[in-house]
Amino acid sequence: AQSVAQPEDQVNVAEGNPLTVKCTYSVSGNPYLFWYVQYPNRGLQFLLKYITGDNLVKGSYGFEAEFNKSQTSFHLKKPSALVSDSALYFCAVRPRVSGSARQLTFGSGTQLTVLP
Amino acid sequence: EAGVAQSPRYKIIEKRQSVAFWCNPISGHATLYWYQQILGQGPKLLIQFQNNGVVDDSQLPKDRFSAERLKGVDSTLKIQPAKLEDSAVYLCASSLEPLPGESYNEQFFGPGTRLTVL
Repeated sequence: AQSVAQPEDQVNVAEGNPLTVKCTYSVSGNPYLFWYVQYPNRGLQFLLKYITGDNLVKGSYGFEAEFNKSQTSFHLKKPSALVSDSALYFCAVRPRVSGSARQLTFGSGTQLTVLP
Repeated sequence: EAGVAQSPRYKIIEKRQSVAFWCNPISGHATLYWYQQILGQGPKLLIQFQNNGVVDDSQLPKDRFSAERLKGVDSTLKIQPAKLEDSAVYLCASSLEPLPGESYNEQFFGPGTRLTVL
């Protein structure tokens, strides 16, 4: 069974500084990996995904993530944080399976707070 | 393009009562998902539909939870009777049916229904 770990419940960073939100995963074979963001009282919004190819994936709002197969990690990064980036971030993994079973497994989330 | 619609947005009930949630997916999306998100946790898949058939309901507590997707469009999720531990946000998501040879399509999430069981 697949699993996702987000080791930090809370990440605080000053506006303008780089940010990193960590994610490690466990899945059989090569995974699909995702980052979602959740603002208060809103559903999850897709940020970016790793399917194949370049290990550095660029997504929405200036976010990027690096797939590291040897470390089974997919950390979310942004060079310069904005106050508006403050939200709850979820990492998710899905095994590369054929057929119709495509269950996403989410981490427990990391609350990012960007301080002005 | 309209997003995934859910109603109600909030619901407060007492334990042992029944409750139902409604979801309207993005037009043309064949796959529909219901997730349960307990406070402080990530979403957990309850059930997945492909058109009007169930693909995966392995984590659905079938003694009290039921879901249907009549006509392969809208879906309802019901809890009967509710327990205190059912307090959570219930998220609906939808995605396109993958083309032959593909095995992934992005899921789009609705705003969720926040259920409080007293």
